[in-house]
Parts: sequence; C-alpha cells; structure tokens
Amino acid sequence: GAVVSQHPSRVICKSGTSVKIECRSLDFQATTMFWYRQFPKQSLMLMATSNEGSKATYEQGVEKDKFLINHASLTLSTLTVTSAHPEDSSFYICSAPTKGVSTDTQYFGPGTRLTVL
Amino acid sequence: AQSVAQPEDQVNVAEGNPLTVKCTYSVSGNPYLFWYVQYPNRGLQFLLKYITGDNLVKGSYGFEAEFNKSQTSFHLKKPSALVSDSALYFCAVRDTGGFKTIFGAGTRLFVKA
Repeated sequence: GAVVSQHPSRVICKSGTSVKIECRSLDFQATTMFWYRQFPKQSLMLMATSNEGSKATYEQGVEKDKFLINHASLTLSTLTVTSAHPEDSSFYICSAPTKGVSTDTQYFGPGTRLTVL
Repeated sequence: AQSVAQPEDQVNVAEGNPLTVKCTYSVSGNPYLFWYVQYPNRGLQFLLKYITGDNLVKGSYGFEAEFNKSQTSFHLKKPSALVSDSALYFCAVRDTGGFKTIFGAGTRLFVKA
C-alpha cells in the first residue's frame, strides 16, 4: 500500500508554545489530506481536511486559529498547534487517499504523540 | 447523518478459533465500508473495503468481511485467529460521493494462546 509518514513521532512541549507536525505522502501525490485526533482508548475524531492550494476545511467545534493547517505541496501538509495547553495532549494522525476519488482507500501516517506539560 | 456502531468494546478469542468483530452502519445512500487495524502507538493499517459487487470481501492477513445491506452490517471475520491479531479494530463508513470517513469507537481484539 501507499506510504504516509509523520514527523515527529513524539513531542513534548511546554504550555504556551507552538508545535508543528508534518505529514508527507512518500510515494504518491495527495491533493487532500486529513487530520485526526485520537484520545486514549477512543476512536479517531476528524479535525480538518487539508486541501492543496486552498484553505483547510475544519470540522464543527475545531478551532481553526488553534490548529493551523497548511498544505504546502502535493506531498506535504502541516498541522501547527498554537499556544498549546495540556488539554491539547493527544495522538494526532494524518491520512491521505491516493487517487482523490471517494472510493479510494485512505492511508494513515504512524501518528504523533503530543504531550503538553 | 452517517454513523458507525461497534457494539463490543472487547472480543476475546482463543488462538485457532474463528473470530468475528461486529459493525453496523447508518448512511443516507449507498455506503463505502472499511476496516482498519491499529497496533499500540501506531497509525491505522488498511485491512479491506467494500465498494460494490460481491458481498464477501477478502482482505489482508486472512481477514474477510461480509456486507449485509438488509441488516446494515459489515462484520469482520477470520477463520482461525492468531495471537498476533490482537489489536484495536476500527470499522469506518464513507458516504458515496464524499471523502469524509466516520470511524466506529473501535473493538479491542484479544487472542489468547
């Protein structure tokens, strides 16, 4: 299957700082990428859809000024958690479909564990 | 609105026995259905999907799932469980024509040697 990478895999930061998480499609181009958040022992919650060349689409209840998304190229999307607080601690996962059609399989990155002290 | 239900938080199976992980869904039109597996501190790995056609879908690692439209179910099955199958399994649904994928709460599978 297709490969999606995330960097970093784990990050610990102080409250009030900003953290950037990168999501890359390694062997395909992705005009769309998705960012999910997963709390311990819970399901994935879709945060936003990242669109190359246009603004991200945020799900209801997700603060767009808090979670900045930039789809810089066809292989890279970044999620920046601004002014992070302990409640932002979570497992963040990105995904991307390879063909851009609705029947396509999404391939997931390995996730980034964010801990805010 | 789309929704997915995985009624069991955990399924316990002895190695070598068949396993079933249940999933029911609700969508307004025809669904696209997916199963993913997650190992600790890892992203999700794709197992299989139903788009159209044969109701029995075969996927990775010997897993299969049966699409049942009348019961709106898409249960994941495997004839003979392995200890290495122990993981968290997610059922997901996508409405046709869109990309937004809704995930179930997950079912933890524990296979005992």
